[in-house]
Amino acid sequence: NAGVTQTPKFRVLKTGQSMTLLCAQDMNHEYMYWYRQDPGMGLRLIHYSVGEGTTAKGEVPDGYNVSRLKKQNFLLGLESAAPSQTSVYFCASTSRETQYFGPGTRLLVL
Amino acid sequence: DQQVKQNSPSLSVQEGRISILNCDYTNSMFDYFLWYKKYPAEGPTFLISISSIKDKNEDGRFTVFLNKSAKHLSLHIVPSQPGDSAVYFCAATYPGSARQLTFGSGTQLTVLP
Repeated sequence: NAGVTQTPKFRVLKTGQSMTLLCAQDMNHEYMYWYRQDPGMGLRLIHYSVGEGTTAKGEVPDGYNVSRLKKQNFLLGLESAAPSQTSVYFCASTSRETQYFGPGTRLLVL
Repeated sequence: DQQVKQNSPSLSVQEGRISILNCDYTNSMFDYFLWYKKYPAEGPTFLISISSIKDKNEDGRFTVFLNKSAKHLSLHIVPSQPGDSAVYFCAATYPGSARQLTFGSGTQLTVLP
């Protein structure tokens, strides 16, 4: 039982490049979330999903897209990376109020 | 507009003493509050939570207090241990929000041996 896993752990992109971050959970949770964490700030919600095939915008969705084709997976895409997207990205899942987080993906956009 | 605020970016406490971390909120719709602990290079881990129908919840060395009239909650750690040194985030959610959490900016707790 791995909980919530994220790949990759670390990535360096050049401005304008694209990439996809993968989140997987093995707890059969309905809800999944993508957050970003920046220095001196809490976690801010980018997008979330309340079930397979559904997605919705969070607090800071611009520049990101998501897909939830399978219940256990939640993908976060950056179509054209910008330096402002340098951050640590966390995925989380839940079936109730308590969210369980993955270990994070550190992204550096040059 | 920060709906959840942690006004102390850092706190240092001596080992064995009490650590008190504070959190204020502005949204009256919040009805469930959580504390997460985060070590460097790891994801946040759930620590303790409290529903708005309660004013206190205990779990071992950790106790969370909720004062709804003041829109304030606090986390008490007694006794503090060096392994408690981490960033602590408070978070809140409300019904119908798809379990979305709104986080405070975090407090770095350092427990000195």
